[in-house]
Amino acid sequence: ETGVTQSPTHLIKTRGQQVTLRCSSQSGHNTVSWYQQALGQGPQFIFQYYREEENGRGNFPPRFSGLQFPNYSSELNVNALELDDSALYLCASSLGEGELFFGEGSRLTVL
Amino acid sequence: AQRVTQPEKLLSVFKGAPVELKCNYSYSGSPELFWYVQYSRQRLQLLLRHISRESIKGFTADLNKGETSFHLKKPFAQEEDSAMYYCALKNNAGNMLTFGGGTRLMVKP
Repeated sequence: ETGVTQSPTHLIKTRGQQVTLRCSSQSGHNTVSWYQQALGQGPQFIFQYYREEENGRGNFPPRFSGLQFPNYSSELNVNALELDDSALYLCASSLGEGELFFGEGSRLTVL
Repeated sequence: AQRVTQPEKLLSVFKGAPVELKCNYSYSGSPELFWYVQYSRQRLQLLLRHISRESIKGFTADLNKGETSFHLKKPFAQEEDSAMYYCALKNNAGNMLTFGGGTRLMVKP
């Protein structure tokens, strides 16, 4: 059984740039959730995708967008990067509303 | 709005001492509460959930609706319990989790 994998593990961008983060869900899972974890804080819910449709969204601006593909993998896109977007981005997959399984995260630094 | 508060950023105890990691929540509906743990260099993983009322690695947590708390307890801490612990609340409208800020538990030999 393959767990949740995320890429890239680390990346550095500058303000105003755009970034795409990728997530492969655990085998058999059809739901992907994305969380942002700023330094010293708990994860904060960005949005969730179920069967390629957005299925819930947290308090994040529209420049945070996502996709889910037919194989249930997912992308998180952030446009017009700001310094405060620097964080660890966590992907979690699940089978519907079952237990969440987290990836190791993508650490984004915005300069 | 739902909220989860973990008042302690750091909790340091000696091996064999009892441990209590505090978690308080605010939520207007019927809450579903979880504890997640992140060991050093490992990913975030589920430790336990209140609905299953189980004990995992010697840890237990009881949901107290009157005090809106879900404290995590263990009678005798072990060095391998050292980790970051996050309390989380799941709302009724899906699989969205609201996490607390986390407590770092350090168990000293």
